Formats: sequence, structure tokens, C-alpha cells
Amino acid sequence: GNSVTQMEGPVTLSEEAFLTINCTYTATGYPSLFWYVQYPGEGLQLLLKATKADDKGSNKGFEATYRKETTSFHLEKGSVQVSDSAVYFCALTPNTGNQFYFGTGTSLTVIP
Amino acid sequence: NAGVTQTPKFRILKIGQSMTLQCTQDMNHNYMYWYRQDPGMGLKLIYYSVGAGITDKGEVPNGYNVSRSTTEDFPLRLELAAPSQTSVYFCASSPDRGIYNSPLHFGNGTRLTVT
Repeated sequence: GNSVTQMEGPVTLSEEAFLTINCTYTATGYPSLFWYVQYPGEGLQLLLKATKADDKGSNKGFEATYRKETTSFHLEKGSVQVSDSAVYFCALTPNTGNQFYFGTGTSLTVIP
Repeated sequence: NAGVTQTPKFRILKIGQSMTLQCTQDMNHNYMYWYRQDPGMGLKLIYYSVGAGITDKGEVPNGYNVSRSTTEDFPLRLELAAPSQTSVYFCASSPDRGIYNSPLHFGNGTRLTVT
């Protein structure tokens, strides 16, 4: 089956610290992988995506690389800001079917 | 460009009452989805639709109904509200799955409390 596993939160970091949020997946075939971000009181927004092995998605200083050999899509940022405080969701959609599968979300708080 | 619009933003229901959560999108997307988000549980798919007149169950459909009479609208109906349906509900849409890596576009959610 299809599933996404994210690291447990919450995560609290100081401003300018390095961020890693782990994500691993199980899927049939060759899924597309996504990171979504949810700011307080809002819906989820696409942060970045990767559609094939070894692709690197990037946006707003965040990066994630599609690693088929380890079935992972870890989110990284070199220097976090207070404005990055949000909940981050890893997700996949398989290349067959019509559904998206989400992890449970990781809450990030960045303190000045 | 409004994107995905959900109404109402907040609602309190008594046990046994009914209500409809509205969702409309102006991007001409064929695919629409309803999710519920419970604390620490991520997003669970309730129902989805691949086009007008076509709907299908997701992971947690019990207690809900949907219809898709137009491309734009995808309302979610709760017939007999129960405390277990207290949650935040998100509607989402995406372009045709022929482009299978298209992302989801989300509304801002409806926070529902059943007491």
C-alpha cells in the first residue's frame, strides 16, 4: 500500500539554526513526492515537489531530494527564520489512482 | 483569483443536527477532495471526485455524503452530527490527473464542533 511516515514533533529551533524534517514513504510504482506547509489558521500550501528519483525540489530556501534507494524525502533548510514557524506535511501521490497520502505533520516553532 | 473557497469558517452543531459544508473552486479543476484534520493525525480523505457527476469514498466516509453537480462545487453533507465529527475540514482541488504530479490547492478550512 501507500503511506508516509514523518518524524514526530514538535520541533523547536533558534533562528538561523539548521532544519531537517525526516520523511519516508511506502508506495507502489514511482510516486510523486511533496512537502506542504500550513500556517496557523490557513489551509495547506505546496512548498516543493519532486516527481522522479534524484530530483531535488526547492523553494524559499527549503530543499528536499527524492531518494528512491532509501525511500526518503527529507526536508532541509540551512537557516530558519521565525516566519518559518508552521506545520509541515510530507505527501505522495502514486502514478496510478486518484489519491494523495499525507504524513501526520511536524510542527516547527522558531524562536528569536 | 479566489482559488478554493470554503464556507463557513466556523460552526457549532448540536448532536443529531445536519449541515452542509460548501466548497467552490474557480480554477476549472476536475479533481476535488474533502479531508478532515484531527490533532496529531494528519489528513484523512473523506470523499473525492474526478469530475462532475462522479464521486468516490476515501478512507473515512461514514457519516458524510457528497455530490458534484458542477465542476466548480463539491459540498459535503453531515446528516446526523456526532461528537466524533468535531474536526477541521479542508476542501482541495487539482488539475486533471493526466498530469499526475499536479499538486493540491487547499481552501482555508471549516472548523466544526459538535456538542
